[in-house]
Amino acid sequence: GAVVSQHPSWVICKSGTSVKIECRSLDFQATTMFWYRQFPKQSLMLMATSNEGSKATYEQGVEKDKFLINHASLTLSTLTVTSAHPEDSSFYICSASGDRYNEQFFGPGTRLTVL
Amino acid sequence: QQQVKQSPQSLIVQKGGISIINCAYENTAFDYFPWYQQFPGKGPALLIAIRPDVSEKKEGRFTISFNKSAKQFSLHIMDSQPGDSATYFCAVFGGGGNKLTFGTGTQLKVEL
Repeated sequence: GAVVSQHPSWVICKSGTSVKIECRSLDFQATTMFWYRQFPKQSLMLMATSNEGSKATYEQGVEKDKFLINHASLTLSTLTVTSAHPEDSSFYICSASGDRYNEQFFGPGTRLTVL
Repeated sequence: QQQVKQSPQSLIVQKGGISIINCAYENTAFDYFPWYQQFPGKGPALLIAIRPDVSEKKEGRFTISFNKSAKQFSLHIMDSQPGDSATYFCAVFGGGGNKLTFGTGTQLKVEL
């Protein structure tokens, strides 16, 4: 399958600061990227869907002003958690797909801890 | 509304045994049913997937059984190995929404 990377793999930040997480598709052009959040021992919850060059579509209940998503190229999408708070601590996972949204390739995840 | 229900929540199987995880869904418009394997601290990886026009798909030790009329599908892991110990998620796709919806997950432990 295709390879998707995330950077950083883990990050610790202070409450009130912003954190940027990168998601890259390394060997294919991803027209669509997805961002998920996973709390300990829970399932993956879709936060937003982003298409290259257009605004992201956020799921109900996800604050778009808090979780800024940019999909500037076919290989890179970024998620910025603004004014992070301890309740934002979670495992953030991105996935990338081509034309077939059902065939998503997942990144290794980023562990965010907000102190 | 939970679109896909997964059971059991956890499962312990002896090495060499068969692990069976079940999922049930409501929306008959779903048209893609994948299973993912996730190790601690890692992203999920696609194991095997099926479309509703077939009742069974086998890849190595992994088999999906699909019952369209009952709106259920299951993952069977034959000859389970300690290396299979992970969390398994079923998912559904389609039904008008271009997104994967995941089940609640099953934590599998394969004991020696």
